[in-house]
Amino acid sequence: KAGVTQTPRYLIKTRGQQVTLSCSPISGHRSVSWYQQTPGQGLQFLFEYFSETQRNKGNFPGRFSGRQFSNSRSEMNVSTLELGDSALYLCASSFRDSDNSPLHFGNGTRLTVT
Amino acid sequence: GENVEQHPSTLSVQEGDSAVIKCTYSDSASNYFPWYKQELGKRPQLIIDIRSNVGEKKDQRIAVTLNKTAKHFSLHITETQPEDSAVYFCAVCVTGGFKTIFGAGTRLFVKA
Repeated sequence: KAGVTQTPRYLIKTRGQQVTLSCSPISGHRSVSWYQQTPGQGLQFLFEYFSETQRNKGNFPGRFSGRQFSNSRSEMNVSTLELGDSALYLCASSFRDSDNSPLHFGNGTRLTVT
Repeated sequence: GENVEQHPSTLSVQEGDSAVIKCTYSDSASNYFPWYKQELGKRPQLIIDIRSNVGEKKDQRIAVTLNKTAKHFSLHITETQPEDSAVYFCAVCVTGGFKTIFGAGTRLFVKA
């Protein structure tokens, strides 16, 4: 069974631009979560989706948004990029609810904002 | 909101020794406690998890203990090997919360 796939692997953007990251979960997994990983802040929860519905959102500004499609694939969007948005963005899927079963992570998208 | 503290931030042990990483949490409704290992440049991967109705769980050289009253849980690695070198994250979940909260991570170095 294929693992969680994130595209692209690397992105370089300029301040003020916007970016869209994509995540394809493991087949059969309906819950998709997004995390921001930075050296200083660790793994910070962004949001969680299940059956196209956002069920929880972390403490990030409104510039960070996401969505999930009917095939469980998910995208996250960051608008008006800031230097501090440079990070590794990890997507994770789980078979049951994300708060009660293991997360399966993708390899992440490394975003650099210059 | 939920808060998870993890200690130590860095741990260096000699090969063959044991390593212990401790986490405390604040929400007494927390009921699922997974541990993830992240090797350099790789994705985090689950290594062991425990639920609130269990006090201890063991899988070969890895064990996790949970003290619900004190709201802390620990990861124990015995007979450490160089390949155990990685960053370890504890995490906490509340059923119905639809999110996993991670500790800050512990960088473990196992010296050969």
